[in-house]
Amino acid sequence: QVQLVQSGAEVKKPGASVKVSCKASGYTFSGYYIHWVRQAPGQGLEWMGRMNPNTGGTNHTQRFQARVTMTRDTSITTAYMELSRLRSDDTALYYCAREFSFRGNQPFDYWGQGTLVTVSS
Amino acid sequence: DIQMTQSPSTLSASVGDRVTITCRASQSIGSWLAWYQQKPGQAPKLLIYKASSLESGVPSRFSGSGSGTEFTLTINSLQPDDFATFYCQQYNTYWTFGQGTKVEIK
Repeated sequence: QVQLVQSGAEVKKPGASVKVSCKASGYTFSGYYIHWVRQAPGQGLEWMGRMNPNTGGTNHTQRFQARVTMTRDTSITTAYMELSRLRSDDTALYYCAREFSFRGNQPFDYWGQGTLVTVSS
Repeated sequence: DIQMTQSPSTLSASVGDRVTITCRASQSIGSWLAWYQQKPGQAPKLLIYKASSLESGVPSRFSGSGSGTEFTLTINSLQPDDFATFYCQQYNTYWTFGQGTKVEIK
């Protein structure tokens, strides 16, 4: 069965960076885009960007353009999202999610369990 | 950027009620709209894609309609398991979520 398993919770100081991992299993890793979505406490969902696991190519929303880096290690079917220059308002639950298919833009059919990142001095 | 606006933000309903949630896009998105359900402490779950297509395994009491800029999610005969927050998402141009609609027990 398809699974996305994320790394554990992180506590970081303002200005630091955090790297969250997303281990995929149960399907062909290179065949589906991986997206990153975050959710601040008590708030809604915010799309951050996506990565093509086949090529490593990425798209980001303008808001995170300069601070987010999405990478992958195909040998261990794992995607990574690194967010730099953390601020207190980056405190959120970060999800990875799989895009439905490779045919144009699609919604997300499988999600990781989320990784809580807390930014506090 | 395409903005998505849901209404209402909160909805109080009883088991057995028919519930309708509206989602409006700031520009036409064709039928490239999805609906998700999120329960506390859980990741979102895809319910509807392409405005009206039911995801596999989702009960038939959920339905979606609309195109262009106005869309609705309808839940017929609300069940105890349906109390949750629902989000619309456009995927015509990148991806944007609505702010969410919480369906709570009346």
